[in-house]
Amino acid sequence: DAGITQSPRHKVTETGTPVTLRCHQTENHRYMYWYRQDPGHGLRLIHYSYGVKDTDKGEVSDGYSVSRSKTEDFLLTLESATSSQTSVYFCAISESTYEQYFGPGTRLTVT
Amino acid sequence: DQQVKQNSPSLSVQEGRISILNCDYTNSMFDYFLWYKKYPAEGPTFLISISSIKDKNEDGRFTVFLNKSAKHLSLHIVPSQPGDSAVYFCAAQGGSEKLVFGKGTKLTVNP
Repeated sequence: DAGITQSPRHKVTETGTPVTLRCHQTENHRYMYWYRQDPGHGLRLIHYSYGVKDTDKGEVSDGYSVSRSKTEDFLLTLESATSSQTSVYFCAISESTYEQYFGPGTRLTVT
Repeated sequence: DQQVKQNSPSLSVQEGRISILNCDYTNSMFDYFLWYKKYPAEGPTFLISISSIKDKNEDGRFTVFLNKSAKHLSLHIVPSQPGDSAVYFCAAQGGSEKLVFGKGTKLTVNP
């Protein structure tokens, strides 16, 4: 398995608070991705990175920001959490533009 | 606009029989297709892929078929085992480092 960890694994937060999720890889892969998974929607891309300090938006980027200051870390920030951001968040990595390998996920609940 | 469609939310088969999971796509630029398997409370795991220059790829009990003219691919699992019970996601890629996922099909293999 690719060395990907996500922290925290579970989080409950209140509406309006900022939240940061962390993805850490030990594979030195170039590409990193943040997805959210919701019932009836499958996996939707939030943001991705193609190198240190190089990021771009996915299809559901509103309300989220990302940062990648080191190859191994990709942070996802919810600037002001809303109930609609209650979801399971997955980080993924890839070296090429093909197969992506996923982390174990973070379950976020916004009350 | 859903570019990758998995029209069957669920599928139930008997152990030892064939499981066939289907996926349709609309974007002609897609040239690489992947299947992922996901167990509850875990991240998706890469299962098998196929390039658009091929029409079949086989890996053990898993075979993916691609019909480019119909913009359709399918995953065959033979023989099906109870451990194959999971959600299966179809994904497609073309011209970028991003994957587009379907909504998933939940496969249940009954002993």
